[in-house]
Amino acid sequence: NAGVTQTPKFQVLKTGQSMTLQCAQDMNHNSMYWYRQDPGMGLRLIYYSASEGTTDKGEVPNGYNVSRLNKREFSLRLESAAPSQTSVYFCASSADRYNEQFFGPGTRLTVL
Amino acid sequence: KNEVEQSPQNLTAQEGEFITINCSYSVGISALHWLQQHPGGGIVSLFMLSSGKKKHGRLIATINIQEKHSSLHITASHPRDSAVYICAVKGDYQLIWGAGTKLIIKP
Repeated sequence: NAGVTQTPKFQVLKTGQSMTLQCAQDMNHNSMYWYRQDPGMGLRLIYYSASEGTTDKGEVPNGYNVSRLNKREFSLRLESAAPSQTSVYFCASSADRYNEQFFGPGTRLTVL
Repeated sequence: KNEVEQSPQNLTAQEGEFITINCSYSVGISALHWLQQHPGGGIVSLFMLSSGKKKHGRLIATINIQEKHSSLHITASHPRDSAVYICAVKGDYQLIWGAGTKLIIKP
């Protein structure tokens, strides 16, 4: 089992460009999450999906959109990237909402 | 005041020492999650517990629900234990994250 996978691992964007971060899990988990982590700070929840077909805003949703494509996949889209979105992005999944979470390797995003 | 506070923020110790990292919270919870973030950035789940104590290898996690406090202990610490240790508490509608404790174990 691969667990939680994320692509890409690194990305550099120019201000205004768009991109989609992909996340997939093979643990048959119901819930999936997107976090960002900034230097010296803890994890902050961007969006989560408690189950297939549902998504909800987290602590810092502005500037992002998500799609729960199916039970396995949860993508995060930046429509018009801004330098403030430079961060490391983590995807996670859990069997049920807010249970033990398993993390992907992260995507390091730089917006110039 | 943060709802979840970890102490210390930073800890440097010598190889072999017994390590204790603390997590205190101010909200009602149903469970508490300990995770480890490696220097390379990967995040690994260590424990999720709602009462008592759990042990895995040299790691021991305890929780006291009445005192709203949890501790993560590392016995016979090793340089490979160097990482950021994060606690998160599971409330009714959310998971609240601590800021992490950065641990450095020197050989």
